[in-house]
Amino acid sequence: AQRVTQPEKLLSVFKGAPVELKCNYSYSGSPELFWYVQYSRQRLQLLLRHISRESIKGFTADLNKGETSFHLKKPFAQEEDSAMYYCALMRGSQGNLIFGKGTKLSVKP
Amino acid sequence: GAVVSQHPSRVICKSGTSVKIECRSLDFQATTMFWYRQFPKKSLMLMATSNEGSKATYEQGVEKDKFLINHASLTLSTLTVTSAHPEDSSFYICSVRTSWDEQFFGPGTRLTVL
Repeated sequence: AQRVTQPEKLLSVFKGAPVELKCNYSYSGSPELFWYVQYSRQRLQLLLRHISRESIKGFTADLNKGETSFHLKKPFAQEEDSAMYYCALMRGSQGNLIFGKGTKLSVKP
Repeated sequence: GAVVSQHPSRVICKSGTSVKIECRSLDFQATTMFWYRQFPKKSLMLMATSNEGSKATYEQGVEKDKFLINHASLTLSTLTVTSAHPEDSSFYICSVRTSWDEQFFGPGTRLTVL
């Protein structure tokens, strides 16, 4: 079965602390994974995708096929990082996305 | 990226009426758009894939006769919720798929059925 699991509903850290948002997936093919972010009262937007290997806003994510994970990391969290983060798996030739349930990141001052 | 708009941003209707939601790709010609539904404090659930000039592909469990999708042009897809009931109240979001396999999302439409 194709599935994306984000085990944490809420993650609360202090400013400057490291952050890791967990994402595990289940997919029989070669996975293509994304992280989307939704800031308060804004639309969902792409943060990064694994094939681009970019670091966006200080966030990185490495695909680990052995552990079927795609955790999102940032060494020093900022207050403006507070948002809802969704991990997503692209399925099929039409580019359908399967989303995890999301993790709300709260960065306290 | 692609700029995506939705109209209306929120709508309130009576039970039994039909509601049409528009999704427009303002600067990109989209052959593929997607419609999602988001329940409060929950994730996005893919409802259907909207293909320009052909029938939409619905996900399992989504009633195609209730959620009518039309993608008549490369810049417009519409979702019509027919004979709406209170359980259809939700946040409906569309997205545009680009040629480089990224999706750009609309701001969403809040539907409330009384």
